Amino acid sequence: DAMVIQNPRYQVTQFGKPVTLSCSQTLNHNVMYWYQQKSSQAPKLLFHYYDKDFNNEADTPDNFQSRRPNTSFCFLDIRSPGLGDAAMYLCATSRDQGVGEQYFGPGTRLTVT
Amino acid sequence: DQQVKQNSPSLSVQEGRISILNCDYTNSMFDYFLWYKKYPAEGPTFLISISSIKDKNEDGRFTVFLNKSAKHLSLHIVPSQPGDSAVYFCAASARGNTGKLIFGQGTTLQVKP
Repeated sequence: DAMVIQNPRYQVTQFGKPVTLSCSQTLNHNVMYWYQQKSSQAPKLLFHYYDKDFNNEADTPDNFQSRRPNTSFCFLDIRSPGLGDAAMYLCATSRDQGVGEQYFGPGTRLTVT
Repeated sequence: DQQVKQNSPSLSVQEGRISILNCDYTNSMFDYFLWYKKYPAEGPTFLISISSIKDKNEDGRFTVFLNKSAKHLSLHIVPSQPGDSAVYFCAASARGNTGKLIFGQGTTLQVKP
């Protein structure tokens, strides 16, 4: 089955220790998104890649970076996690930009100790 | 500034009855609306969408209604089933704006047998 896969499902990191979350897709979609969802809140877009073009949201902290080495993979790097970065991180894909629905992975629950 | 709002955090209905989930938006540039369903420990799953050129879209037990003048949309589930118990997110986008989705906070639906 074509799908969006996120690893790990649960990640614990220490305050200030860099962490990388992974997303892969077998849908061959052009666009990959990263969302942050805190408890009982709406998912919030951090940034997205349209092919190799990186699009950062204006209010995404500099602490959050992303890499997309190829069509299938996209990484979320948090350079110095703070307690406020504890959240669910959702990866999503869409076939094209501005068209159609997005397909989500199961998410990575990040805990910062 | 929350552009998409789901004012009811939770809803409980009896199996076989209708579930009505509501969503309001403020940005008149939004022209495409989606509903996602999310089970615990899973990512959001696309349910149904509607373009602003329509006022109704139906898919099996699920119907979405759009009232552009009121900037309001609703999702009707008829008949409701216990397996429909989940968190439902409303999302909106403005085509031509990179496909960025703005989500509501979600409504937790419980369908009682």
